[in-house]
Amino acid sequence: EAQVTQNPRYLITVTGKKLTVTCSQNMNHEYMSWYRQDPGLGLRQIYYSMNVEVTDKGDVPEGYKVSRKEKRNFPLILESPSPNQTSLYFCASSSRAFSTDTQYFGPGTRLTVL
Amino acid sequence: AQKITQTQPGMFVQEKEAVTLDCTYDTSDPSYGLFWYKQPSSGEMIFLIYQGSYDQQNATEGRYSLNFQKARKSANLVISASQLGDSAMYFCAMRETNRYNFNKFYFGSGTKLNVKP
Repeated sequence: EAQVTQNPRYLITVTGKKLTVTCSQNMNHEYMSWYRQDPGLGLRQIYYSMNVEVTDKGDVPEGYKVSRKEKRNFPLILESPSPNQTSLYFCASSSRAFSTDTQYFGPGTRLTVL
Repeated sequence: AQKITQTQPGMFVQEKEAVTLDCTYDTSDPSYGLFWYKQPSSGEMIFLIYQGSYDQQNATEGRYSLNFQKARKSANLVISASQLGDSAMYFCAMRETNRYNFNKFYFGSGTKLNVKP
């Protein structure tokens, strides 16, 4: 089954404790993205990746890091989480072949930073 | 400037009636794509419908249709014969396809639709 998986689905942590949210897709997609969703703001792109070892900042990259060492995986790293990073996070992937291609979203990770 | 604007934070519709969710966009690129997603209370993002900037006809997918007015830069979603299961948050999104931002997606703030029985 074609899918994007994220782990963990729920995470409560404390300020400053490094964490990683994993994302994996099995569709051989070249493009992968991370978004955060906050009430009234919709989804905002954090980082995206056009291929292995190629990443770029989205609209809200501060406080986040990413890496793309393998095509299928695109982890999101919060080196020193702060309460303003409490949010719902989505990973997404898409093919680069056509602009008609939609993104396929993971199930979301709800992060709370105390 | 906002790339995607959804001016209706919340809407109500009677079951079996049609409803239109508004979306306007802003881009100077000639090639772009417009998408609508549904997010039910369970949280997942579900792709509904797509419209390309060069498409001559409005996109349709079952009960969903996209009213694309290019000159006005609007891409409204029309849901016909609303069902209780249509109650959800709906997001309009745009994908710019210039070579520097091939995978740059912009999302609106969403419209929460409630279908009344």
